[in-house]
Amino acid sequence: AQKVTQAQTEISVVEKEDVTLDCVYETRDTTYYLFWYKQPPSGELVFLIRRNSFDEQNEISGRYSWNFQKSTSSFNFTITASQVVDSAVYFCALSEAILTGGGNKLTFGTGTQLKVEL
Amino acid sequence: NAGVTQTPKFQVLKTGQSMTLQCAQDMNHEYMSWYRQDPGMGLRLIHYSVGAGITDQGEVPNGYNVSRSTTEDFPLRLLSAAPSQTSVYFCASSYSNRDREVEQYFGPGTRLTVT
Repeated sequence: AQKVTQAQTEISVVEKEDVTLDCVYETRDTTYYLFWYKQPPSGELVFLIRRNSFDEQNEISGRYSWNFQKSTSSFNFTITASQVVDSAVYFCALSEAILTGGGNKLTFGTGTQLKVEL
Repeated sequence: NAGVTQTPKFQVLKTGQSMTLQCAQDMNHEYMSWYRQDPGMGLRLIHYSVGAGITDQGEVPNGYNVSRSTTEDFPLRLLSAAPSQTSVYFCASSYSNRDREVEQYFGPGTRLTVT
């Protein structure tokens, strides 16, 4: 069975600080996909990134960066120079094989509440 | 495209009542799914469908029924609501792109309270 652990329940930072959200996963499959979603106070789910198990390259998108390390089964997310608008719940998720119909079953972590204060 | 739409946005039910949460997508996606979100537990898969006429159970299917008579619609039915079904429900649809990666689209969610 697959599992995603986000050990940080809540993190508070002051604006402009860097912050890293941790994600550790468990799976027996050699092919799998990792995701990060943002859930702002308005409640919708916003897709941030998808990474497959064969691509260990780190990724940077503006102030966001992701560090994927298969050796430690981790997919951590760093926000550089945090802003108040980054305040949200962030979910890490894992899926295994792509199913018929082009979908997958996501296993989510419990989320990390990030609060960025002035 | 409207994307994935869910109705209603909010609903209050009494224990034992039944209702249907509606989900529709206009992107012609074969795959659709329902998740529930509870505090401290993330999102958990309830049911999913890989195409019209085909449904299957996810991690937490008890108390819920689904059907998929069309590609566009994937309603979630609560036959006899219980307080434990108080949650936020998300519907999603997805497809696999040319790179064999899943593009997933979530609806805005339905907040259900069962008293």
